[in-house]
Amino acid sequence: AQSVTQLGSHVSVSEGALVLLRCNYSSSVPPYLFWYVQYPNQGLQLLLKYTTGATLVKGINGFEAEFKKSETSFHLTKPSAHMSDAAEYFCAVSTIQGAQKLVFGQGTRLTINP
Amino acid sequence: SAVISQKPSRDICQRGTSLTIQCQVDSQVTMMFWYRQQPGQSLTLIATANQGSEATYESGFVIDKFPISRPNLTFSTLTVSNMSPEDSSIYLCSVETDIGTQYFGPGTRLTVT
Repeated sequence: AQSVTQLGSHVSVSEGALVLLRCNYSSSVPPYLFWYVQYPNQGLQLLLKYTTGATLVKGINGFEAEFKKSETSFHLTKPSAHMSDAAEYFCAVSTIQGAQKLVFGQGTRLTINP
Repeated sequence: SAVISQKPSRDICQRGTSLTIQCQVDSQVTMMFWYRQQPGQSLTLIATANQGSEATYESGFVIDKFPISRPNLTFSTLTVSNMSPEDSSIYLCSVETDIGTQYFGPGTRLTVT
């Protein structure tokens, strides 16, 4: 069975600073990995995904993530934080063998300080 | 991707009653899912809504409590039955359009008093 651990339930950075949100996964088969963002009172929006191929994936709003198999990690980064990035971020894993079931991490709330 | 709508967007219900949530997608999709997000928590899969057959429920969720319909490839409903305050959550539907990738609706925020 798959699982996801997001390190840090709350992350706070200054506007313009680097954003780093950590995600580690567990899967016995090659994973599909996702980052979703949830703005207040809204549903989930797909930021980016890794399925196969290039391990560095770029998403919307300037975010990117790198799949590191040796570290079982899929950390999310953005070089320069913007006030509009304040939201809840969820890492998720699935496998094609897992009947497309998504397993989510507990989420990380990102706060941006002016 | 897909455009997904849910109705209602929010509701306040009395305990013991039932609420049916609708999910509509703008294109035909094979896979539709229902999730629950309890206050301050992550998402938990309730069930996979199968077109033309009974939904597939995850451990801890039962059909009597969360009956699901999937009459066609663009629509599904989730009913939360005999509600209690513990059912207060955001309920989200999702669809899979690309292999392994799910897109989510805006959610239904339910408060049970």
